[in-house]
Formats: sequence, C-alpha cells, structure tokens
Amino acid sequence: DSGVTQTPKHLITATGQRVTLRCSPRSGDLSVYWYQQSLDQGLQFLIQYYNGEERAKGNILERFSAQQFPDLHSELNLSSLELGDSALYFCASSVGGRLETQYFGPGTRLLVL
Amino acid sequence: AQSVTQPDIHITVSEGASLELRCNYSYGATPYLFWYVQSPGQGLQLLLKYFSGDTLVQGIKGFEAEFKRSQSSFNLRKPSVHWSDAAEYFCAVGAPDTGNQFYFGTGTSLTVIP
Repeated sequence: DSGVTQTPKHLITATGQRVTLRCSPRSGDLSVYWYQQSLDQGLQFLIQYYNGEERAKGNILERFSAQQFPDLHSELNLSSLELGDSALYFCASSVGGRLETQYFGPGTRLLVL
Repeated sequence: AQSVTQPDIHITVSEGASLELRCNYSYGATPYLFWYVQSPGQGLQLLLKYFSGDTLVQGIKGFEAEFKRSQSSFNLRKPSVHWSDAAEYFCAVGAPDTGNQFYFGTGTSLTVIP
C-alpha cells in the first residue's frame, strides 16, 4: 500500500458525459501527478500540482482539467468523454515539487461506452 | 526530447532462472532513473531508483539495476526469479531540467513458468 488513495476504483459512463476522479496523496506529500495508461499510448503524464498550484503539464487534452485543493487532495475532471478516453488513470504523489520518487495509487479504471 | 525504450515487450523465464530487463533512455544530462512494477489490477510499485553515486543500485524483492552512462542504459536484473515476479515492469526517466514529469517506457511483461 503506497498510501495514495484514488476513488472510484471503476467508472462506467457514456460518451459525452463528464466524470471526476479523486486522489488523496500520501500524508505529507505536497505534489500530485496524474497519468493516463492506455493500451495504445502506454503511461502518459497528464499534469502535476504542487501545493495547490499547477507545476507541470504533459499530454493533457483541453477537455480534461485538474485542481488541487487546500487539503492537498486532487481531482481530475474529464468532460465530453469519447470512447478513446477509456483507460486507467493513475494518481501519484511525492514530497516536494522537484523530481523525486513518485508513489502511485491503485488507479481508476474508466470505461466510456 | 526525452524518451525511454524498453525493447522487450514480453519475456518468459523459468522459475529460478536469472532475469535481465533492458531499458535505454535518451537524455542530454544525467537523468533520474526508476524501475516500477505493476501487478495485474494494481498500481505501480517502486522497485529501485538511481539519482547519483554508485551506479549499481539495489532495490526491493532482490532486484538490482546498473546505470551505464556510456550505453544510456539502466537494466534491471534479478539472479533467481520467483513465480510471484510475474508482472509488468516499467522503466522511467525523470529529467531534472525539463520539468517535473516522468517519461515511462512501454513496459515489459514478464511471465514465469514453473
């Protein structure tokens, strides 16, 4: 158990819908990272937040957005969902905002029908 | 641009045999290097990491990896594989001067046969 929690574990929705994925980092960690894992793209970095502020951006679509709240939990919002958004979404956390070990949560499996 | 290559998509080894998983990276300076393991339906667990210093690093579960700058490689090894090692293995590179993101390889799936 990494100490990173993600909810929900599974999510099934329809195209065009909007969903919110939630992540709670390890106690004491200030950085949260979001990744998308799909069969064709592998593990792709989406976005990082550090202590409430966006720190780095990767291959995140404009339909996706994220935020980190004062209690340091983070939410990833996916809107206008398409079939191709079906994937495993991981959250990771680290102590600081600079490169260091990231600890991964168990993931949220999203299925868009 | 930074990139990570894991040339072996799938490897099958016998239980008790030795294992080496290959990882090559592309980066201008010394990167931060990681190996993670993902069991079916699970998140990624850190096996080991290299930031600096001794180029042979020891990790959990009996794994080790060696950083070779001249070959831009960070191969993962284990002298004797156990059936419980069957999983997906990912090499990752962190590039300190280009932001705070990790670049992951496409993974190597390990099957262990009795």
